[in-house]
Amino acid sequence: DVKVTQSSRYLVKRTGEKVFLECVQDMDHENMFWYRQDPGLGLRLIYFSYDVKMKEKGDIPEGYSVSREKKERFSLILESASTNQTSMYLCASRPWLAGGPNEQFFGPGTRLTVL
Amino acid sequence: AQTVTQSQPEMSVQEAETVTLSCTYDTSESDYYLFWYKQPPSRQMILVIRQEAYKQQNATENRFSVNFQKAAKSFSLKISDSQLGDAAMYFCAYRGTQGGSEKLVFGKGTKLTVNP
Repeated sequence: DVKVTQSSRYLVKRTGEKVFLECVQDMDHENMFWYRQDPGLGLRLIYFSYDVKMKEKGDIPEGYSVSREKKERFSLILESASTNQTSMYLCASRPWLAGGPNEQFFGPGTRLTVL
Repeated sequence: AQTVTQSQPEMSVQEAETVTLSCTYDTSESDYYLFWYKQPPSRQMILVIRQEAYKQQNATENRFSVNFQKAAKSFSLKISDSQLGDAAMYFCAYRGTQGGSEKLVFGKGTKLTVNP
């Protein structure tokens, strides 16, 4: 079974702190994604990565950055956390296969609260 | 840009009954993929069912089936013989096959309650 794990289920940080959210997948997937999920807004893509050291902005990248130094690990960084970044953060991975409806596999999520 | 609309923020169904969740999408592409994902309370999101736009036959997975109407850009999910474990948030998602096709575009979700 594909396994996507996230470093924390719950996290509480203070405004202005630098925050790292870690995601690890064990299936050698090329593509990895970070979403935030807010009630009534669904999932919105923050960043994604095609492969190691490659990244692309999603729909809401402002205030975030990412790092992918190894294929299995994709980190989301909040450079200076703000209260409007309080949210559920979901990581996902997907194999790169030309064509085909290959699904994304999701981690359990990290609920971040910024005080 | 592609958009996905789920017009029902909440739905409820009696156990053993059938319920249909609606999803419409907007795209100019002719080839694409559609998905329904399920997110149970405090649990991981999992894929329920997927549909390839070039296939005319509606996808089916056990008690879950879709009604894919390409011309109407509609992709509804039917859950038959509903069970308590079906209670969850359901998200409809779209993925194209052209530039930027790695991304999924999600609807805002439908919260399904199953009443015993």
